Amino acid sequence: AQSVTQLGSHVSVSEGALVLLRCNYSSSVPPYLFWYVQYPNQGLQLLLKYTSAATLVKGINGFEAEFKKSETSFHLTKPSAHMSDAAEYFCAVSDRVAGSYQLTFGKGTKLSVIP
Amino acid sequence: GAGVSQTPSNKVTEKGKYVELRCDPISGHTALYWYRQSLGQGPEFLIYFQGTGAADDSGLPNDRFFAVRPEGSVSTLKIQRTERGDSAVYLCASSFGQEETQYFGPGTRLLVL
Repeated sequence: AQSVTQLGSHVSVSEGALVLLRCNYSSSVPPYLFWYVQYPNQGLQLLLKYTSAATLVKGINGFEAEFKKSETSFHLTKPSAHMSDAAEYFCAVSDRVAGSYQLTFGKGTKLSVIP
Repeated sequence: GAGVSQTPSNKVTEKGKYVELRCDPISGHTALYWYRQSLGQGPEFLIYFQGTGAADDSGLPNDRFFAVRPEGSVSTLKIQRTERGDSAVYLCASSFGQEETQYFGPGTRLLVL
């Protein structure tokens, strides 16, 4: 069974500071990994995904994540936080089961950006 | 182009009532997923459709939950005899064919009193 652990349910950073959101996964097969962002009262928006190509993945809004198989991690980073980055971030893992790419999500990390 | 839409955006019902939640996927997307997001949690998988058939319904919590997709486009999630524990945001997502990326709708917030 797959699982995702996001360390830190709430992270606060100052505007302009580095953003680091942690994600560790477990999967019995090579996984597909995703980061989604959720703004209040909105659905999930894909930030980036890893699908077994380059291990360093660049996404929208200046975010990137690095797949590290040895550490079973897929941490999300952004060099300089912006006020508009305040939202909840979800890491998810998928392996293809009977044609389904059903996602298993972590519990989420709420990012606050302090001006 | 239009994204995934879900109606209603909010639904308040009484314990024991029947509710239907609708999902309109992106045009041309053959795969459709339903997830449930409880307060403070990540979304949890409920059911997956490929075309008209439910290919994987292993996430449905019990037989009060049922979903259909009769023409391979719009899907309806049906909940019978609602319970307070069913209160959550129900999210729908669609994807094209065998593509791994899912596009999510805004969700339906269900409150059972």
